[in-house]
Amino acid sequence: DTAVSQTPKYLVTQMGNDKSIKCEQNLGHDTMYWYKQDSKKFLKIMFSYNNKELIINETVPNRFSPKSPDKAHLNLHINSLELGDSAVYFCASSQSAASIEQYFGPGTRLTVT
Amino acid sequence: AQKVTQAQTEISVVEKEDVTLDCVYETRDTTYYLFWYKQPPSGELVFLIRRNSFDEQNEISGRYSWNFQKSTSSFNFTITASQVVDSAVYFCALIRWGAGANSKLTFGKGITLSVRP
Repeated sequence: DTAVSQTPKYLVTQMGNDKSIKCEQNLGHDTMYWYKQDSKKFLKIMFSYNNKELIINETVPNRFSPKSPDKAHLNLHINSLELGDSAVYFCASSQSAASIEQYFGPGTRLTVT
Repeated sequence: AQKVTQAQTEISVVEKEDVTLDCVYETRDTTYYLFWYKQPPSGELVFLIRRNSFDEQNEISGRYSWNFQKSTSSFNFTITASQVVDSAVYFCALIRWGAGANSKLTFGKGITLSVRP
């Protein structure tokens, strides 16, 4: 079984659309994260949720809204997509907010045309 | 604030050469962890090693070795006898640990390693 899974793996959409990326972990972890890897390969954290509560919120446009329906899921909804949103989005999870080990999902490549 | 600098952006070597990937970090914390991740062309992030700030012992794992020096705030990664399969982007990362830490991984910009046959 995959520990951290993301759907879809690839997402191609047009500017202005709204889209969601889903993440699920079956590790029983309390904390989940979203990272963005831009076209220059730079990886940066966007959000983190611990027990469904937002604990990290980096400077991200408010078009991005994470939603955690339960501890095992952290979805990323993006409104009014822009060309600059094209990136690979990685979900990760860790046992707790104080854990140092994070388990990454396979990534979702979002292309905005 | 934390910062990880990987000054090399692209390295190209011929198979069987040794190559060292540099990583320099900045943090005011006394307790932290350093990581190396590999991102092959397939795109996933592969964990390679984790080191805490109190353990400066060098580590060797097969053809891979890591040199952690707190005095120079460096955590360098050497691949001995490189192979084509080592071609990937390599990331160094840092995370705070302890009271008040929030598990925010700070990554360097990555080094693209190309190993030519």
